Amino acid sequence: DTAVSQTPKYLVTQMGNDKSIKCEQNLGHDTMYWYKQDSKKFLKIMFSYNNKELIINETVPNRFSPKSPDKAHLNLHINSLELGDSAVYFCASSPNNVGSQHNSPLHFGNGTRLTVT
Amino acid sequence: AQRVTQPEKLLSVFKGAPVELKCNYSYSGSPELFWYVQYSRQRLQLLLRHISRESIKGFTADLNKGETSFHLKKPFAQEEDSAMYYCALSPPHGGSQGNLIFGKGTKLSVKP
Repeated sequence: DTAVSQTPKYLVTQMGNDKSIKCEQNLGHDTMYWYKQDSKKFLKIMFSYNNKELIINETVPNRFSPKSPDKAHLNLHINSLELGDSAVYFCASSPNNVGSQHNSPLHFGNGTRLTVT
Repeated sequence: AQRVTQPEKLLSVFKGAPVELKCNYSYSGSPELFWYVQYSRQRLQLLLRHISRESIKGFTADLNKGETSFHLKKPFAQEEDSAMYYCALSPPHGGSQGNLIFGKGTKLSVKP
């Protein structure tokens, strides 16, 4: 009954390869996110996406692209992997705030540890 | 500029000692503040948020708008509190929904 699930948990690949990380949430949330946690444990948002709007952090290279086949999924595709892409990638989701006075907290997946060699 | 600062990278205390994890923020407006926790080999999860004004696992945090701080406190630390703690800021409702700005995190180590 995992709420936000990511696959794979670990991903080791070589420079130049293209890889995808999958994320699924069964919470019925409308918005999903990708965060990157670097080697210093610094968390930074990469994308937020709902069925209406994709917001991209301007610092994210265009080699990274989110793909959402439906509301419950937001996959992360990475082209031409580089050494600096090595990090832990977290997927998250939250419900819409419509009707609420406050922002909803995020529900995170377990993370995918990507190692580029 | 929007920023969350956690000045301590590592905080080490003994079991039973009080603990305070510092968090300061920079934001032109009235943001929402959160504390997230990541236990070893577990997912990041919400610990508490300032609007709830509640105590979770003995932790409390008060938003001080004058000092722009949201420090996390617990009077008596337990070994199971050892984890990575992240302070996060979200624009007020109506802004970028859920786009949290995280601090760099503080690793809390509670020694027996």
